Amino acid sequence: QVQLVESGGGVVQPGRSLRLSCAASGFSFGSYAMHWVRQAPGKGLEWVAVISYDGGNIYYTASVRGRFTISRDNSKNTLYLQMNSLGVEDTAFYYCARDPFCSDGRCYPDHWGQGTLVTVSS
Amino acid sequence: QLVLTQSPSASASLGASVTLTCTLSSGHSSYAIAWHQQQPEKGPRYLMKLNSDGSHYKGDGIPDRFSGSSSGAERYLTISSLQSEDEAEYYCQTWGTGILVFGTGTKVTVL
Repeated sequence: QVQLVESGGGVVQPGRSLRLSCAASGFSFGSYAMHWVRQAPGKGLEWVAVISYDGGNIYYTASVRGRFTISRDNSKNTLYLQMNSLGVEDTAFYYCARDPFCSDGRCYPDHWGQGTLVTVSS
Repeated sequence: QLVLTQSPSASASLGASVTLTCTLSSGHSSYAIAWHQQQPEKGPRYLMKLNSDGSHYKGDGIPDRFSGSSSGAERYLTISSLQSEDEAEYYCQTWGTGILVFGTGTKVTVL
């Protein structure tokens, strides 16, 4: 079955960096676009970024563009999110999600991980 | 601007039905959406992708109690025979030009 397991969360000071990972199994990872979505405690879902199956197309939400970098290693079935210049507003659960529909031009995630918590605090 | 509008809350009795609405902003009435469920303290779960013509693509293992329909700019999620485990937040979601958009979510309470 499809499994997505995020890791790398933790407590980090403002201005520092953190890299999240998402280990995928149970499907052909290299055939799917992948997303990062976050959720501040008690708040709604906020999309962060998407990367196409081959890494050739990448989009970010405006608030993280230039600070965050999404990438993937299809040989390791792993998705990454490098987060730099972190601010308190980046405190959230971070979820990775698989997307089978992006190749048709519009994206709708169909499997989600359980999330990893990033807390930005001094 | 692409916006999805959801009511903040809905409730119904155990065993009854409830219908949630997601409204696409003006000029986007042809867009498909997806419904995602998030139970307390859990990650989201994909329910279905719902097209403007009402056709939908359910996720693996999603019960038949969950159904979707469309009318104009509105997309609906109906949950029949409500169970206690259906008490959750429900988010609609769509894709614009280079951006994925979520609605603000509807919290469903099972009475």
